[in-house]
Order: sequence, then C-alpha cells, then structure tokens
Amino acid sequence: EDQVTQSPEALRLQEGESSSLNCSYTVSGLRGLFWYRQDPGKGPEFLFTLYSAGEEKEKERLKATLTKKESFLHITAPKPEDSATYLCAVQAPGYSTLTFGKGTMLLVSP
Amino acid sequence: DGGITQSPKYLFRKEGQNVTLSCEQNLNHDAMYWYRQDPGQGLRLIYYSQIVNDFQKGDIAEGYSVSREKKESFPLTVTSAQKNPTAFYLCASSIGGDRANTEAFFGQGTRLTVV
Repeated sequence: EDQVTQSPEALRLQEGESSSLNCSYTVSGLRGLFWYRQDPGKGPEFLFTLYSAGEEKEKERLKATLTKKESFLHITAPKPEDSATYLCAVQAPGYSTLTFGKGTMLLVSP
Repeated sequence: DGGITQSPKYLFRKEGQNVTLSCEQNLNHDAMYWYRQDPGQGLRLIYYSQIVNDFQKGDIAEGYSVSREKKESFPLTVTSAQKNPTAFYLCASSIGGDRANTEAFFGQGTRLTVV
C-alpha cells in the first residue's frame, strides 16, 4: 500500500526565514511525486511534478527536490502570502490516481 | 478559461436525503476523480473514471455513487447510506493514461454539511 508522510504538521516562520518541508513516501515504484498548495476553503493548486531521484524544480521562492525515499520543498525568504497548506502526493506506475499526505500548514508572519 | 467547475460551493443535506455534487471540466481530460477532505486528514479517493462510461471505486466508495455519461461531467451522489457525509469534496481531472504530465487539476470544492 502506498504511503505518504509529511512533516512537520505545522510550521510557523518569520518573513524571510527560510526552511524546508519534508515528504517521505513508500510506493512500489514511483511514476511521479506531486506538490500542491491549498489555501483555506479552496481546491489544491498544482505546483510541481518530480519523476526521478535527483530532479529539482523551482518556482519563485519554492524549490522541490526528490530522492528515492523523500522529497523536500524548500522555501527561501518566505513572504506572508506563502502561508498555506502544502500537500504532497505520489503516483504509482500503471495508475493515474494520487495518494496524498496529510499536508503541512505553513504560516509566515510579517 | 479552461478549468474545473464544481457546484454548489456550499450544500446542506438533511438526514436521509441523497444529494448530488456537480463537476464539469473543459480541459479535454480523459480521467476524472472525486476526493474527500476532512480536517487533519489527507485527501481520500472516493471514485475515479479513466474514460467515459467507466469508473472504479476508490478507498472510501461506500455510500457514494457516480456516473460518467459525458467526458466533461462526473457527478457524485452522496446517498443516505453514507453515515458521516459532512466534509469538503474535491473533484479533479488529468490527461490520464500512460502519457507524461500526469498531474491532476482540482476544482474549488463543495462543502457539504448535514443538518
């Protein structure tokens, strides 16, 4: 059974204070690992897809990396508008469905 | 604008009633999904459909039903058999199949409350 564990559950940062969110996964092969951002009361917004160990992707202050067992979402010099819940999901070969972690709630204070 | 539209945004259900949540997409995606989100829990898969006129149960299908008569539409019915239906329901779609770029795109959700 595919499993995704995200840590920490919640993270509070000061504006400009860089940090990382972790996503550990167990899957029989990996077709893709996905990061989403979710604002309260809204649907998840797609951020990144990573397909193989060593791959990295960046978007503004966010950078996602992937190893064979985990993925990190690095947030550099965050701003209050980066406050959201960040979700990680994995996809197994032969399937289009995603298995999600419980998310990390990020709060960035000015 | 291409995207996924869920309606209504808020829905109230009385005990014993069936209710239907709407999901429409104009992305020309083959695959569509329904997820349920509860506080402190990750998204859990209810049903999914890879192609028109075909769908499969997800991890928590009991008490729910779906249909896929058109490529653009994937409505979810929450039946009276679902004992704890209060939750945030999310519909998603993806290209599907074995093609690359398999990310799913989500609608804005429907919040269902039992009154």
